[in-house]
Amino acid sequence: DGGITQSPKYLFRKEGQNVTLSCEQNLNHDAMYWYRQDPGQGLRLIYYSQIVNDFQKGDIAEGYSVSREKKESFPLTVTSAQKNPTAFYLCASTTTGERLGEQFFGPGTRLTVL
Amino acid sequence: AQSVTQLDSHVSVSEGTPVLLRCNYSSSYSPSLFWYVQHPNKGLQLLLKYTSAATLVKGINGFEAEFKKSETSFHLTKPSAHMSDAAEYFCVVLRMDSSYKLIFGSGTRLLVRP
Repeated sequence: DGGITQSPKYLFRKEGQNVTLSCEQNLNHDAMYWYRQDPGQGLRLIYYSQIVNDFQKGDIAEGYSVSREKKESFPLTVTSAQKNPTAFYLCASTTTGERLGEQFFGPGTRLTVL
Repeated sequence: AQSVTQLDSHVSVSEGTPVLLRCNYSSSYSPSLFWYVQHPNKGLQLLLKYTSAATLVKGINGFEAEFKKSETSFHLTKPSAHMSDAAEYFCVVLRMDSSYKLIFGSGTRLLVRP
């Protein structure tokens, strides 16, 4: 079955630690995205990548970093510079062409800072 | 600039009664609009999309949305609510620049009473 997987489902971080969230897709999609979701708010874009070895900052990139070394993988690192990282993180992917905008989402990772 | 506004943060209906979730959009271009659904602690799933073809769009699980240019609206409806419809719903517009990013509304939480 094709889809997007995110791991872990729950993650706990101590202040001052960096943590990496995994996102893998086997849909052969070129574009991948990371979003942050806070209670009562819509999704906010952190980073996105439209092709391997290239990525762009979204609306709230400060304190986060990404890499895109393989088409299937787009890991997100939450660094100690992110002042309020407790949130639900969602990864998504999409193809281009006439299905632009139809993003497929992973199940999410809930990050809690202790 | 493009944006979407979801007019209700919470909507409560009884099972078997109609559902109406309201969304207004702002766009200088002919927009591509979407509705996504998110069940608790899950990723998002595409319900339906409008891309300048038919103004009445049918989606999954019996949902429909009508694009009304004169009212700049894209309201989501369903004739008869089911308990499984309880979720958060997001109205989304596709940003029409080279980024092709999605812009999310703040969400409407649908509660279905037995």
